[in-house]
Amino acid sequence: AQSVTQPDIHITVSEGASLELRCNYSYGATPYLFWYVQSPGQGLQLLLKYFSGDTLVQGIKGFEAEFKRSQSSFNLRKPSVHWSDAAEYFCAVDFNTNAGKSTFGDGTTLTVKP
Amino acid sequence: DGGITQSPKYLFRKEGQNVTLSCEQNLNHDAMYWYRQDPGQGLRLIYYSQIVNDFQKGDIAEGYSVSREKKESFPLTVTSAQKNPTAFYLCASSIGTYNEKLFFGSGTQLSVL
Repeated sequence: AQSVTQPDIHITVSEGASLELRCNYSYGATPYLFWYVQSPGQGLQLLLKYFSGDTLVQGIKGFEAEFKRSQSSFNLRKPSVHWSDAAEYFCAVDFNTNAGKSTFGDGTTLTVKP
Repeated sequence: DGGITQSPKYLFRKEGQNVTLSCEQNLNHDAMYWYRQDPGQGLRLIYYSQIVNDFQKGDIAEGYSVSREKKESFPLTVTSAQKNPTAFYLCASSIGTYNEKLFFGSGTQLSVL
């Protein structure tokens, strides 16, 4: 069955430290992959997406993600976290259908310590 | 500025009452969607519409209804048949072609009185 897993419910990092949020999917082919960020009480904003080509994708706000086919993963990274990055992060996977039928992971809440 | 507007931001429903959540977009997007978000969970698709006067059920459509009479508008009605309506509801739109990114509104928090 097609599924998306974000193994970490909650992550805490210190400001200035590096960050990696994990995302794994289960699918027989290469899906379309997205990372979204959500501030409390707000909608989601797209950080980056991967469709094909270079497996290292650059996004907004200094984020990047790397697609690893062998691991069925699409982990989100940032070299130096800022306090304003505290939010909830969602990985979404489109199993080759319209984007609105993206399957979302359960999210990872990021807390940033001063 | 183009975007998606959801209203109201907070809504309370009484037992047995139907309530309607508004979603309007001025992005000229063909496709629109409604998602439900519960604490600690990801987004679950309720309904989506690819074109005016047409819509399809998502994964959790029971207890909900929608209409798409205009390209800009995609209201969601939470009916009395939805026994657990308390959630954060998000409307989104996309250009409508394959695998386009979603643009989200700022959401409506629905609670039961």
